[in-house]
Amino acid sequence: EADIYQTPRYLVIGTGKKITLECSQTMGHDKMYWYQQDPGMELHLIHYSYGVNSTEKGDLSSESTVSRIRTEHFPLTLESARPSHTSQYLCASSDLNRNTGELFFGEGSRLTVL
Amino acid sequence: AQSVTQLGSHVSVSEGALVLLRCNYSSSVPPYLFWYVQYPNQGLQLLLKYTSAATLVKGINGFEAEFKKSETSFHLTKPSAHMSDAAEYFCAVRSSGTYKYIFGTGTRLKVLA
Repeated sequence: EADIYQTPRYLVIGTGKKITLECSQTMGHDKMYWYQQDPGMELHLIHYSYGVNSTEKGDLSSESTVSRIRTEHFPLTLESARPSHTSQYLCASSDLNRNTGELFFGEGSRLTVL
Repeated sequence: AQSVTQLGSHVSVSEGALVLLRCNYSSSVPPYLFWYVQYPNQGLQLLLKYTSAATLVKGINGFEAEFKKSETSFHLTKPSAHMSDAAEYFCAVRSSGTYKYIFGTGTRLKVLA
């Protein structure tokens, strides 16, 4: 069973608000990822991290930022939310030292910006 | 560049019928391949993975997939569909030596009573 947690699960906020989506994993994985997924659509990688103090932008441009100060924690922040940021955000982690190193996903944070 | 193609964004089968979800990949080196399932308002759950140990891979919930290098395919099958199999299914690939996973566009499986 995966031990990766995302909060909040659902968030409805107004335009211009700052939000932080939390993601924590208890598996000690080095690699962590944020994907953005619109309803019924494919996953787009927006950020990833290979370890503490390492973050990279993904394939889909995003106005969000991430940090990785601790191995287990990989929060995503939007300084000023807009309706175009409405989406589901999925956090994942992997341990590539083990065989194929499959991704473990959290349950997602569904963001609605009014 | 790696890519994953899932043919058919929507697939409908009758309960008890064979499930076949198609996935083709392009990769310059032998890849690692995965199938994930996503239920509404949830994250993705691993169904099965190809590790190069065996070309026929068995996963959870009665699903299996066969790696065919000559066809660059990794199709997902289940002999008999159950109503609880209705979900979105994603194929994914990661090339050896990289840390990035590429996902297909997903196939929504509908199971008819």
